[in-house]
Amino acid sequence: NAGVMQNPRHLVRRRGQEARLRCSPMKGHSHVYWYRQLPEEGLKFMVYLQKENIIDESGMPKERFSAEFPKEGPSILRIQQVVRGDSAAYFCASSPYMTGTSTDTQYFGPGTRLTVL
Amino acid sequence: AQTVTQSQPEMSVQEAETVTLSCTYDTSESDYYLFWYKQPPSRQMILVIRQEAYKQQNATENRFSVNFQKAAKSFSLKISDSQLGDAAMYFCAYRVIQGAQKLVFGQGTRLTINP
Repeated sequence: NAGVMQNPRHLVRRRGQEARLRCSPMKGHSHVYWYRQLPEEGLKFMVYLQKENIIDESGMPKERFSAEFPKEGPSILRIQQVVRGDSAAYFCASSPYMTGTSTDTQYFGPGTRLTVL
Repeated sequence: AQTVTQSQPEMSVQEAETVTLSCTYDTSESDYYLFWYKQPPSRQMILVIRQEAYKQQNATENRFSVNFQKAAKSFSLKISDSQLGDAAMYFCAYRVIQGAQKLVFGQGTRLTINP
């Protein structure tokens, strides 16, 4: 059973370019979460998606950042016009489903390290 | 807002000894989950142990156990018989059961194992 897949593992962009980060959840998981980790810090929640729906985007910057989880294919985190402050590790996690008292643990991918030159 | 605090930026322990990592949190919720995640140099986030707040019994997983003090909002991780492979960043995390599904992480504790 393959784990959460993220690609690319490393991404280098120049200021002003676009970055696209992909996440394929574990088989059978329909919930995806994106987190950002700045150097020497803990992970910060960005967005929570189900198939074709954004459930919680309270951690997303208001501009330049967007996320989607289409009916078919991976979840995409898109950063337009990247700036140096966007340099970070971006982690995707997935969980099976949401129930009242389920422990539906989030399983993390290996992360994508974005470097903005 | 929920917050998670890890007051020890770095800890070190001799191989085969026991070490305890501290975590406190702030919440007005009564039902929630608490987690410890390990992040080795590979940066992969690995779940170490999980505790449901409604359970009084402390969770254990092999050499890893927690001391969950709900009234004090404290959730420490004890690692027994430390091994070189335990060296990593350790993050404490919190999540409510109902509603928002996001994990709230602490700042992390870097654990070094001395041979």
